[in-house]
Amino acid sequence: DVKVTQSSRYLVKRTGEKVFLECVQDMDHENMFWYRQDPGLGLRLIYFSYDVKMKEKGDIPEGYSVSREKKERFSLILESASTNQTSMYLCASSGTGGSIWGTDTQYFGPGTRLTVL
Amino acid sequence: QQQVKQSPQSLIVQKGGISIINCAYENTAFDYFPWYQQFPGKGPALLIAIRPDVSEKKEGRFTISFNKSAKQFSLHIMDSQPGDSATYFCAAIEYGNKLVFGAGTILRVKS
Repeated sequence: DVKVTQSSRYLVKRTGEKVFLECVQDMDHENMFWYRQDPGLGLRLIYFSYDVKMKEKGDIPEGYSVSREKKERFSLILESASTNQTSMYLCASSGTGGSIWGTDTQYFGPGTRLTVL
Repeated sequence: QQQVKQSPQSLIVQKGGISIINCAYENTAFDYFPWYQQFPGKGPALLIAIRPDVSEKKEGRFTISFNKSAKQFSLHIMDSQPGDSATYFCAAIEYGNKLVFGAGTILRVKS
């Protein structure tokens, strides 16, 4: 079974802090993704990566950055956390069936619920 | 603006009833439509998916109906069970472009 793990289930930070969210997958997947989930808005793509050290902006990259130094690990960084970044953050990975945006299933981690005070 | 519009936002169904969740889209280039199921405290997981050249796909109690001309698709859960209580997301993808999600439907099945 594919396993995607996220470093924290719950996180509380203060405005202005630098926040690191870690994600690890164990299926040797090429592609990894960060989404945020908000009620009534579904899942929105923040950043994605199709290879080590490669990254692409998603739909809402402002205020975020990412790092992928190893194939299995994809980190989301909030450089200076703000209250509007309070949300559920979901990491996902998918395999190598062709285009990163094909029919490969995305496998999600359990999420990190971040609260910024 | 959401590229995939999902309704209803929440749904309560009696055990044994049929749960129906609807989605509509505008982009005719979408060519793959997955549904994800998310239980509380878990990440979404692929439930069932359909391509637009098929009008219906059934897996157990879950059926996707697809109406290409109306640009609509729906998930039907037959004989709904309390264990089906979850949030359901429809999604759509255009090959080579990003996966887009609907807003989600919170389903509660009353026993």
